[in-house]
Amino acid sequence: KNEVEQSPQNLTAQEGEFITINCSYSVGISALHWLQQHPGGGIVSLFMLSSGKKKHGRLIATINIQEKHSSLHITASHPRDSAVYICAVRRMGGNQFYFGTGTSLTVIP
Amino acid sequence: KAGVTQTPRYLIKTRGQQVTLSCSPISGHRSVSWYQQTPGQGLQFLFEYFSETQRNKGNFPGRFSGRQFSNSRSEMNVSTLELGDSALYLCASSFLTVTNNSPLHFGNGTRLTVT
Repeated sequence: KNEVEQSPQNLTAQEGEFITINCSYSVGISALHWLQQHPGGGIVSLFMLSSGKKKHGRLIATINIQEKHSSLHITASHPRDSAVYICAVRRMGGNQFYFGTGTSLTVIP
Repeated sequence: KAGVTQTPRYLIKTRGQQVTLSCSPISGHRSVSWYQQTPGQGLQFLFEYFSETQRNKGNFPGRFSGRQFSNSRSEMNVSTLELGDSALYLCASSFLTVTNNSPLHFGNGTRLTVT
């Protein structure tokens, strides 16, 4: 049983397209993180959410606590956005982290 | 401001040996957490330290241990290495402890190969 499910697993888009990656979770959480991992392994934290919506440049993250669902949107996608995007949740109470399996995004020029 | 530094970047060990990995957090960060990433299991949480105390632990055997020093630097030790321990080991630091969520800052990881 996976506490965190992401979809799609793989995504190929043309440059300029609007992209949505979804994350559903089954446990009560205190926070949800969206992470970006480029080839070579380095991970960058994009957003930390506990409610509502956050925007940073072309990236937007939303969370619906009642529905246990979050989305990461990329507007006007660019080849440099090609990476693996990982959803992670911090469980309420136990405080453990659970991770989705990641969405591999390829943006074609 | 220097980022999170993990050493070494690459490590090759044989089965049965032990290994120690090091993580230096961003200055001022008192929380350090460790993660294992494998192609089969993805990212998994190992443990988290705050002010030299282990605050949280994932579902890993006792062969995996860690500690944090007074300067917030952390080490992770794996004893009696198994082939399945081959993975990328990542650490992350954050400003606050687990009960107060704050963004994670990841190091570049240590890639461990067990032969």
